[in-house]
Amino acid sequence: DSGVTQTPKHLITATGQRVTLRCSPRSGDLSVYWYQQSLDQGLQFLIQYYNGEERAKGNILERFSAQQFPDLHSELNLSSLELGDSALYFCASGGGSYEQYFGPGTRLTVT
Amino acid sequence: QKEVEQDPGPLSVPEGAIVSLNCTYSNSAFQYFMWYRQYSRKGPELLMYTYSSGNKEDGRFTAQVDKSSKYISLFIRDSQPSDSATYLCAAEAPDSSYKLIFGSGTRLLVRP
Repeated sequence: DSGVTQTPKHLITATGQRVTLRCSPRSGDLSVYWYQQSLDQGLQFLIQYYNGEERAKGNILERFSAQQFPDLHSELNLSSLELGDSALYFCASGGGSYEQYFGPGTRLTVT
Repeated sequence: QKEVEQDPGPLSVPEGAIVSLNCTYSNSAFQYFMWYRQYSRKGPELLMYTYSSGNKEDGRFTAQVDKSSKYISLFIRDSQPSDSATYLCAAEAPDSSYKLIFGSGTRLLVRP
């Protein structure tokens, strides 16, 4: 158990809908990273927050957004969902170094 | 071209074999390299990390980086069926963000 929690575990929704994925980092970690894992693209970095502020952005679509709250939990919002957004979404936390600890992921299925 | 390349496998070996997993990378600015293990339907688990060139050993696992050839390796000695998983190599982006750039993963099957 990495100490990183993610909810929900599974999400099934329709195209055009909006969903929110939640992540709680390990105790003491200030950084939260979001990754998307799909069969064709592998594990791709989306966005990083550090102590409430956006630190880095990867190949995150404009339809996606994230935030980190004062209690350090983070939410990833995905809107106007498309079939191609179906993937595993992972949150990782770290203390601001290369060591990142991944949560169990949220499996999103868009139908 | 992907910045970190990895043979997807699958790689099938008998129990007790020495396993060699490899990645290549293209960006010479990469300094930190990691290996993650991912069981089916689980999150990646950090196995080892190395800085720059050289070897690092942890139990049955040895990570090796050769910066001159941009080659990353993970060796597993005395492989066990419980080692069956997908192994992901990763490099830390050299922009102080600590984001990781992953290879596509190699699926390993250790046969009893």
